[in-house]
Amino acid sequence: GEDVEQSLFLSVREGDSSVINCTYTDSSSTYLYWYKQEPGAGLQLLTYIFSNMDMKQDQRLTVLLNKKDKHLSLRIADTQTGDSAIYFCAETPLLGNTPLVFGKGTRLSVIA
Amino acid sequence: DADVTQTPRNRITKTGKRIMLECSQTKGHDRMYWYRQDPGLGLRLIYYSFDVKDINKGEISDGYSVSRQAQAKFSLSLESAIPNQTALYFCATSDSGTSGSTPDTQYFGPGTRLTVL
Repeated sequence: GEDVEQSLFLSVREGDSSVINCTYTDSSSTYLYWYKQEPGAGLQLLTYIFSNMDMKQDQRLTVLLNKKDKHLSLRIADTQTGDSAIYFCAETPLLGNTPLVFGKGTRLSVIA
Repeated sequence: DADVTQTPRNRITKTGKRIMLECSQTKGHDRMYWYRQDPGLGLRLIYYSFDVKDINKGEISDGYSVSRQAQAKFSLSLESAIPNQTALYFCATSDSGTSGSTPDTQYFGPGTRLTVL
């Protein structure tokens, strides 16, 4: 079945760039997503990329998609303490009409 | 997301009690989901519903049941709560594509923290 893998932890210094990586198994995914979960809150949609794109940029966020390697990354430029959160990668599954498949989440800690 | 609400936000109960968690949405989406979140395990899908007459089991449905009372309402019940059901529970919604939203993009409620003693 489909699987989405992420490393569980990442620690960076304030002002540095953060890169959160994700690998997925379904090469036919239509969309790939990044969600952010702040402490005590639900998941918020951060950004998504359509599978026919290689890159998407939105202010401090850059999403890179390598379809050949089934690798998705989220780069956060000038990381701030407010970026400390859990980041989830998700893909649309092979079978239509089934829910998104989520990774286990990467906890980003920003050190001041 | 204020368009997806969950009640209660926190609940402490005892083993063996029946518990209902409720979810309502004003996004007009046809699809709704229940997840539980445990530290280190990410999100696990309990049940999902693609329309009012459709109910599907997810990865971990044992010990849970759901009811889709209307397009906007999806409730989760624990028939006889046990301590290992202590977790954070999330409801989510998505659109199948008929309303113009990006299909399958899920929007989450704020969560219900459930503790079973």
